[in-house]
Amino acid sequence: DGGITQSPKYLFRKEGQNVTLSCEQNLNHDAMYWYRQDPGQGLRLIYYSQIVNDFQKGDIAEGYSVSREKKESFPLTVTSAQKNPTAFYLCASNHETGTGAKNIQYFGAGTRLSVL
Amino acid sequence: QKEVEQNSGPLSVPEGAIASLNCTYSDRGSQSFFWYRQYSGKSPELIMSIYSNGDKEDGRFTAQLNKASQYVSLLIRDSQPSDSATYLCAVFSNFGNEKLTFGTGTRLTIIP
Repeated sequence: DGGITQSPKYLFRKEGQNVTLSCEQNLNHDAMYWYRQDPGQGLRLIYYSQIVNDFQKGDIAEGYSVSREKKESFPLTVTSAQKNPTAFYLCASNHETGTGAKNIQYFGAGTRLSVL
Repeated sequence: QKEVEQNSGPLSVPEGAIASLNCTYSDRGSQSFFWYRQYSGKSPELIMSIYSNGDKEDGRFTAQLNKASQYVSLLIRDSQPSDSATYLCAVFSNFGNEKLTFGTGTRLTIIP
């Protein structure tokens, strides 16, 4: 079954703690993305990666870090510098940027992060 | 001005009627347009994509694109209670900052 797997489904963070959200895809997609969604809001881009060992900041990268050591994996770390981390985090991927259907992004099931 | 704007709703439509969802965008270089459906607590799922001016139909869904007016819409015919969800409009520009920009979504409720 091809798809995007995010884990865990729910995550709780203590004050001053770094936490890492996992995202794995077996779609052989080149590009991967992390979004944050707050209640009643659209999706805001945190980081994205179009190729292994390379990534770019999105609109709200402060307090987050990522790595892209393997094509299949794009973990997101929410650092203690992110003062308001409570949100729904979504990982997405697409084959490559280009035209038409290449831009279609497919999403994982999401991770809901809360602060204890 | 927001890059992608949608009426947040809620939009209430009787079962069996046509639901009309609208989206405007600011970047004239935008090339690809998508509608995602998001059920409460779930992740977005793609329901329609459109790349050229005009209408594109898929079952009960029709996407309409007017690049001159920078306007894209989604029509849902014969609305069903299972269509109750938030619908996100997403726009991709191939020029400059290549990224998908989402609107804040329109919450649709189908009334039985």
